[in-house]
Amino acid sequence: EAGVAQSPRYKIIEKRQSVAFWCNPISGHATLYWYQQILGQGPKLLIQFQNNGVVDDSQLPKDRFSAERLKGVDSTLKIQPAKLEDSAVYLCASSLEFADSYNEQFFGPGTRLTVL
Amino acid sequence: DAKTTQPNSMESNEEEPVHLPCNHSTISGTDYIHWYRQLPSQGPEYVIHGLTSNVNNRMASLAIAEDRKSSTLILHRATLRDAAVYYCILMGHNDMRFGAGTRLTVKP
Repeated sequence: EAGVAQSPRYKIIEKRQSVAFWCNPISGHATLYWYQQILGQGPKLLIQFQNNGVVDDSQLPKDRFSAERLKGVDSTLKIQPAKLEDSAVYLCASSLEFADSYNEQFFGPGTRLTVL
Repeated sequence: DAKTTQPNSMESNEEEPVHLPCNHSTISGTDYIHWYRQLPSQGPEYVIHGLTSNVNNRMASLAIAEDRKSSTLILHRATLRDAAVYYCILMGHNDMRFGAGTRLTVKP
């Protein structure tokens, strides 16, 4: 079974530039998550989709970050404009469904963003 | 705003058992206890989860205190491939908040 795919794996940009990340979840997974992981910290949830609707985006800096999941399959996360503090690994994860109790999330390899 | 407390780091010898503790004194009755681990340069991967009873799977065992305010992940025979950051997470209503985790070092 194919896992969660993400691209690019690495990206280097200058501050104030824009960048976009792409994620393709495991086939049939209804729920998709984007996390930001700063070096030395645990992942922080940015946004969660259930099919193509947003379930939770309370920690997404909406002045510069945006995400969409058209057709309830793959998703893009965009940063515009980027700041130095956005340097991090951006992880995408998916799970079968929205569940209160059991919710194994499958993570992709992440995109490492460096903002200079 | 993670709801769990874990030691920053632990060391183990290869082929010996490892007990990774986690405190979650503010756990609610409906929160499940999940463990994930993150190997170097990879995304986190699911290890095990439980509610009240101890749980076993092919990767590990999870021992949950009777009052549910703490739990312990048990790796029965650590291997070099088990070197990773281990996260203890409380799951309620699909809310998953990671802390900093425990970095496990396995010595040959």
